[in-house]
Amino acid sequence: EPEVTQTPSHQVTQMGQEVILRCVPISNHLYFYWYRQILGQKVEFLVSFYNNEISEKSEIFDDQFSVERPDGSNFTLKIRSTKLEDSAMYFCASIPDRDGGTQYFGPGTRLLVL
Amino acid sequence: DQQVKQNSPSLSVQEGRISILNCDYTNSMFDYFLWYKKYPAEGPTFLISISSIKDKNEDGRFTVFLNKSAKHLSLHIVPSQPGDSAVYFCAASPYGGTGKLIFGQGTTLQVKP
Repeated sequence: EPEVTQTPSHQVTQMGQEVILRCVPISNHLYFYWYRQILGQKVEFLVSFYNNEISEKSEIFDDQFSVERPDGSNFTLKIRSTKLEDSAMYFCASIPDRDGGTQYFGPGTRLLVL
Repeated sequence: DQQVKQNSPSLSVQEGRISILNCDYTNSMFDYFLWYKKYPAEGPTFLISISSIKDKNEDGRFTVFLNKSAKHLSLHIVPSQPGDSAVYFCAASPYGGTGKLIFGQGTTLQVKP
């Protein structure tokens, strides 16, 4: 069964450094999402992406964040200058089209900012 | 932002019995609801969903009930198995599920052998 994959599984970085988290959504899916979960807290929506542009973003998704779909398979989340509070699990999700309501999640990237 | 609430942080049931997990929401715009199962350090795994035009959806041992007037949904697992032990999240979305998902805080289910 096709699944969403994410790399790396773990990333440790110094505060102020840039990180890029990568996701390969299920092929032929058209809608893509990033969520994060800070330890002990809810899963929170960050951004949705369709047709090569952002559909919706949350208050968390400020100018330090950006998303890109550089080719036909990868979907990336970039954090330009990481902060301690960016430490979290980051999840990518995708759905096939406007008729599909189930978002399928990847295994996540654990980001630790020191 | 407490649009989706799971008021029970944990639930413990005996193997073979029914597990009932509850979820409340406040936003009338939500029209698609999902339950996910999650293990530590893994992504949420989809279990079952329900559209607001229905009040019940069943898939094997899992049944989701939706009470729109009470803005309440529940997940029933019958019979419960030790492998069901995990954190269960309910999530809600407007726009038929293509919009952002709003998650509850999660309920940790422990099924004892």
